[in-house]
Order: sequence, then C-alpha cells, then structure tokens
Amino acid sequence: AQSVTQLDSHVSVSEGTPVLLRCNYSSSYSPSLFWYVQHPNKGLQLLLKYTSAATLVKGINGFEAEFKKSETSFHLTKPSAHMSDAAEYFCVVRIVNGNQFYFGTGTSLTVIP
Amino acid sequence: EAGVTQSPTHLIKTRGQQATLRCSPISGHTSVYWYQQALGLGLQFLLWYDEGEERNRGNFPPRFSGRQFPNYSSELNVNALELEDSALYLCASSSPGQIPSNQPQHFGDGTRLSIL
Repeated sequence: AQSVTQLDSHVSVSEGTPVLLRCNYSSSYSPSLFWYVQHPNKGLQLLLKYTSAATLVKGINGFEAEFKKSETSFHLTKPSAHMSDAAEYFCVVRIVNGNQFYFGTGTSLTVIP
Repeated sequence: EAGVTQSPTHLIKTRGQQATLRCSPISGHTSVYWYQQALGLGLQFLLWYDEGEERNRGNFPPRFSGRQFPNYSSELNVNALELEDSALYLCASSSPGQIPSNQPQHFGDGTRLSIL
C-alpha cells in the first residue's frame, strides 16, 4: 500500500530562519517523490522531485529535500525563510510502475516578519 | 509551453443545478486528474482519465462524473449541486513517459465553484 504522511499541519518560522517541513511515505514499490507549493487561490506548483538520481534534490526558490530510504522520509528544507514562502506545501508520492499519485494532507507555512 | 488551463475561473450556481468544468492538459500529456479542494478538507482525489478512459475515481457520489476527449482535454460534470460542493476544483495532467515514469503532475489554477 502507498501513503504519504505530513507530520505537521502548521509550521511557523521567523523570516531568515531555517524551514523544515516533514514528510514520511510508505510504498511497496520504488517511489518518485515530489513537493508542491500552493499559494492562496492558485494551483499547485512543483518545487522539486526525487527520481533516484541523487538523494539530495535541489528545487526552486532555494528549497531542497533529502530522500532517506532507511527512514522512509523526504523532508523539505530551506536555509532562510522569506515572507513569500508563506503558503501550503504538499508532499506527493508516485509509484514508479503506475500513474497514481498520493498526496499528503498539506503543511501550512507561516513566516513571521 | 502552455500550462494546464482550466475554465471558467469562477462559477456560481444554485442548489440543484448542474456545473461543467473544463480542463486542457499540457500538450503531449495523456493523463488528466481532477481534485476537489474544499475549505479545511485538503486535496481530495476525484477522477483520473488516461487515453480517454476513466482509470480511477475517488470516494465521491456518482453525480460527479466526467470524460476525456480524443484531444485529451477533459470535462468534470457535477449534477444536483449541493452547498458542500463549493470548493476549488483543480485539474492536473501528466505525461505517460516510459514505465517506470517519474514525471510529475502539472496543475492548473483551478475553477472556484460557489453554490448559493
């Protein structure tokens, strides 16, 4: 069975401090993993994707994520939060031999000035 | 490259009416996915079409239906609208790629459906 768990529904950080958004997955198959960001009343924008080429993945806007198979985790990080990072973030898994996508419940990031 | 486009941007209906939402995928993408994002309920999977066929549907009543056309565009139809159908409806597309495929979904900006 496949599933995605985002461990925090809300995260609040001060501007300029690091961001950590946590995601754990379970998959019977080798997964592809993605992080998306959604700003209010907009669609989801792809931040980055893991496709087994490298365990540390760099995305847009300074975000990166590390795939840890032993921990079944794919946490999203950014060294220094910016006000524009305030949004909803979704962790998504796609099983590699299929076209089904599984979404986490989302983490709302608040950035305090 | 044009992204996923959805129309209309906003749609206002009353209870009992029917709504039709449209989605055009990125050129070359054969899979289209529909999601409902209601306030406080996160992203709920509705339907998945691929090559004109319905491949999977989420836990929604039959009054939610759709289809995919030969050009891979898609319609979502919601009959007998209820107040709780008010939500942002998102469409996404993906390319088939080879199997195994690591291609992501690409999302449109959604249709905001309001039921009065």
